[in-house]
Amino acid sequence: QSALTQPRSVSGSPGQSVTISCTGTSSDVGGYNYVSWFQQHPGKAPKLMIYDVTKRPSGVPDRFSGSKSGNTASLTISGLQAEDEADYYCCSYAGSYTWVFGGGTKLTVL
Amino acid sequence: QVQLVQSGAEVKKPGDSVKVSCKPSGYTFSYYAIHWVRQAPGQSLEWMGWINTGNGNTKYSQKFQGRLTITRDTSASTAYMDLSSLRSEDTAVYYCARNANWGIDYWGQGTLVTVPS
Repeated sequence: QSALTQPRSVSGSPGQSVTISCTGTSSDVGGYNYVSWFQQHPGKAPKLMIYDVTKRPSGVPDRFSGSKSGNTASLTISGLQAEDEADYYCCSYAGSYTWVFGGGTKLTVL
Repeated sequence: QVQLVQSGAEVKKPGDSVKVSCKPSGYTFSYYAIHWVRQAPGQSLEWMGWINTGNGNTKYSQKFQGRLTITRDTSASTAYMDLSSLRSEDTAVYYCARNANWGIDYWGQGTLVTVPS
């Protein structure tokens, strides 16, 4: 199982929007609507931001949204804030009770 | 509230085994499976395997087949991750995480396992 492909880094200014992509295959991202996104600040455990491609857990701001097209899922953060600066990871169910993560994307708020 | 509390940091020699525990609270232990995920220094998250805490069934990433054993003790409401034949590349923070539907929701605080080369 290969890791899902994410850009190494993205950046944006406060108030702007950024989108992070997560590309897999028809065996994982494209095959199931079970893509999640996690935010991780340095030295902390990951935090769930999006699940089932588009759903937001309670407490996550609606500035965070998810989508999917074919084998690529995307996380969009609108109205960027300083506290959004973190690493972001996608994760997809890959069948046969296995999961796969993306390589991670470092978001810098300029 | 849901919490997963893991055991403390470990320093091991190459060839040793390590066993990390994970004790959830705030929900019924056997209702949710537990995943184990690791993160080497400066690297991404890596899924290792999971256990159905109700019936004990497990599934492991092919990368760890033969070296990884995930178990649970329902009387203690605790899950365990046992990794054997440790090498320096196994130095990482190991996380347990709760399964929700077909994903992960809550995470433990992480356990640093160091294997000096």
